[in-house]
Amino acid sequence: EIVLTQSPDFQSVTPKEKVTITCRASQSIGSSLHWYQQKPDQSPKLLIKYASQSISGVPSRFSGSGSGTDFTLTINSLEAEDAATYYCHQSSSLPQTFGQGTKVEIK
Amino acid sequence: EVQLVESGGGLVKPGGSLRLSCAASGFTFSSYSMNWVRQAPGKGLEWVSSISSSSNYIYYADSVKGRFTISRDNAKNSLYLQMNSLRAEDTAVYYCARNGRAGDFDYWGQGTLVTVSS
Repeated sequence: EIVLTQSPDFQSVTPKEKVTITCRASQSIGSSLHWYQQKPDQSPKLLIKYASQSISGVPSRFSGSGSGTDFTLTINSLEAEDAATYYCHQSSSLPQTFGQGTKVEIK
Repeated sequence: EVQLVESGGGLVKPGGSLRLSCAASGFTFSSYSMNWVRQAPGKGLEWVSSISSSSNYIYYADSVKGRFTISRDNAKNSLYLQMNSLRAEDTAVYYCARNGRAGDFDYWGQGTLVTVSS
């Protein structure tokens, strides 16, 4: 099973600040890494697919990078509405797995 | 507009059974693989099961293999999860999610809560 480890687990950030969340895979997964945002009491929402491909309707301040085992989700100029938990997900091999989540709080 | 609406959750005793349904609309259901993903209270996301568009390929997490059965009815635009021999650790919100072309989960339902407790 491929283990995805996110860091940090929690981040408290002021508006307009830049946020960087990393996701490390226990073995190479190519670019089969996707990012989701989950706000309290809501379903997860797809933010980035294939490590760096943008999703229609998602604000351009969200971007992704990486390949192999190391991936990054970047939120440029954080807004209050970005308070959420962020998860990475690999679809390279079964079982599909998720990172443990990174909670982003707005100061 | 793509919509996924889960139903069938509820309170069940350990060892009991429950059948979840997911009604899909707004897209050609028969062209997409589908998934169940769950989230225990206050915890992260866990993939449970996947089924290909024609039901030819079916996969399960080890934690549910032999107890859960995924199925679909393309004529009814519906996805199902039959859950047997339920355990306390199966307590979670269960989401159905559509498989995007990149292997991502591009649309999610609102979830249905399953509580296993005596």
